[in-house]
This record gives sequence, C-alpha cells and structure tokens, in this order.
Amino acid sequence: AQSVSQHNHHVILSEAASLELGCNYSYGGTVNLFWYVQYPGQHLQLLLKYFSGDPLVKGIKGFEAEFIKSKFSFNLRKPSVQWSDTAEYFCAVRGNNDMRFGAGTRLTVKP
Amino acid sequence: NAGVTQTPKFRVLKTGQSMTLLCAQDMNHEYMYWYRQDPGMGLRLIHYSVGEGTTAKGEVPDGYNVSRLKKQNFLLGLESAAPSQTSVYFCASGQIYGYTFGSGTRLTVV
Repeated sequence: AQSVSQHNHHVILSEAASLELGCNYSYGGTVNLFWYVQYPGQHLQLLLKYFSGDPLVKGIKGFEAEFIKSKFSFNLRKPSVQWSDTAEYFCAVRGNNDMRFGAGTRLTVKP
Repeated sequence: NAGVTQTPKFRVLKTGQSMTLLCAQDMNHEYMYWYRQDPGMGLRLIHYSVGEGTTAKGEVPDGYNVSRLKKQNFLLGLESAAPSQTSVYFCASGQIYGYTFGSGTRLTVV
C-alpha cells in the first residue's frame, strides 16, 4: 500500500512570505496526488490534484504543486501567503482503490 | 446541496457501548470511505467500499465494522467502544478525481 510523509509538522510564516510544504510518497505503481486543506473546525477541501501531464499543477487560492517523479515528491507552494491561509494541509496519494494521507502540516500565518 | 452528510455530529459513549455512524451521499459515487483523524496522525483509513455490497479493510480496521447495503449509504459500526476510539470520524465519497468529505463526527468514549 502507498504511504505519505509530510516532514513539516508546524510552519509559522508572516503574511506575504513564500510557502513550500514538503510531501514525499512511496508507492510502486501509478499514483494520483492531492493536496487538501482543513480550516479550523471544518472538513477537508480539495486544493489541487495531479493525475498526468504537466507536473506543475495549479489549484485554488493561488496554490500550486510540482510533481517530481524521480524524487517521489509533490510539494505545495504559494508565492505570498495570507492570514486566511492559516489551516492544516494534507498531502494524499491514491493508488489502487484507496487514498492515504500524510500526517498533515499546520500552517500559521501571522498578520 | 449535493454532498456527503454524516450523522450524528457529536456523540459521547461509555466504554463497551455500541453505535453506528451513518454516511449518506447523493452524488452517485461508487467509492466511499471512512477515516479517523487524530492529532499529529493525519487521516487514517478505516474501511472503504468500491460499490454497493462491497467493503474492504483500510489501515486501521480493528474494532470497526462497515456495511454498504445501498449505494448511497455507508455505515460504520463500533460494537464495543474503547477510549482509543475517541476521534473525529470523516466519511468521504468520490471517484478517482478526488473525494468529497463530510463534516465529521466527533466521538468521545469515556
């Protein structure tokens, strides 16, 4: 089964700083990759996804992620974060019939 | 609004009691999933279903049972609740292009 590692547990940034959250996965087959966001007290919402084609994918709210197959990575980026980006971010990998999530990265953006 | 509905939203159980969590979706999705979310551990897959009448084990299935008698419903059962099952439970449904999550059930076992 696939597994996902998110190395940053808690990231604290000031507004307008750039963001990069790491995600590495292990799986021997074809994978679909996702980033989800969970705002405080809410359920998960899809930020972006990668299935094939251009390895640089753009999502909602200015987020993007780059799939690097040789590194088994799918890092999330945003050039300039806002206070409203404070949330928990989850990387997920879908292989076969199920989706596995990383442990999550909590992002705190200070105004 | 189309989506995934979970009931109940909150529940407190005593150790040894049983309960069933209901997940209902109206998007005609084949795939449905139950996850639990615990601090620092992300979401862990309990059980899932790839269609009506089918179920399969995920990462942490022990202590839970599921049923998918109707395509739109996926039930998660706890036969004898334990404090270790205190968690937030999320249901999701979807296809390969991504999942839609319910709003969660916060379960406390005392």
